[in-house]
Amino acid sequence: DADVTQTPRNRITKTGKRIMLECSQTKGHDRMYWYRQDPGLGLRLIYYSFDVKDINKGEISDGYSVSRQAQAKFSLSLESAIPNQTALYFCATSDGWTDQETQYFGPGTRLLVL
Amino acid sequence: AQKVTQAQTEISVVEKEDVTLDCVYETRDTTYYLFWYKQPPSGELVFLIRRNSFDEQNEISGRYSWNFQKSTSSFNFTITASQVVDSAVYFCALSEAEGNQFYFGTGTSLTVIP
Repeated sequence: DADVTQTPRNRITKTGKRIMLECSQTKGHDRMYWYRQDPGLGLRLIYYSFDVKDINKGEISDGYSVSRQAQAKFSLSLESAIPNQTALYFCATSDGWTDQETQYFGPGTRLLVL
Repeated sequence: AQKVTQAQTEISVVEKEDVTLDCVYETRDTTYYLFWYKQPPSGELVFLIRRNSFDEQNEISGRYSWNFQKSTSSFNFTITASQVVDSAVYFCALSEAEGNQFYFGTGTSLTVIP
């Protein structure tokens, strides 16, 4: 089984709809991240969390919110989706103590906002 | 300013040729980590290597090798005797010890032509 899973893998939604992307991990890592990938722009950080009580904004947090329900779960919400949020979204985890900040990524969620 | 620059947007090589992917980074921290990730056409992000700022030894893993030079702030990746399966987008990334974020380059798309 994959260490970092994301659901759904693909999603089509309409402008104005609220959607949630979910991430679960079995690596036992404290740190979790959400990124979006757009062609030619690489990956950009949306939010990150170093433990259940710690949530931080990344480079492009506007229009997004997150919830860290447990050490293993980190959800990303689009409260009112807009077309320019069409992208590939990645969840990642890391263990800053023992693995020198290496981030391990989920398989990604392809989101299309019409 | 970009913290990680991958100036080569796209590269095409013929199978069995060697190819080097360039990565230049910018940081004021003395402790930092550098990474390479591979994103094949299927979309997942695969961790390839991590280097910390105190270890400038070059590394070789099979057909892959990495050249870390602090003097030029570069962390280049060479694939020897390229194969079609090496076709992917390759990302270089930086993590600073004093900060909490990963900084990704915009990626280099490598196509290996049979």
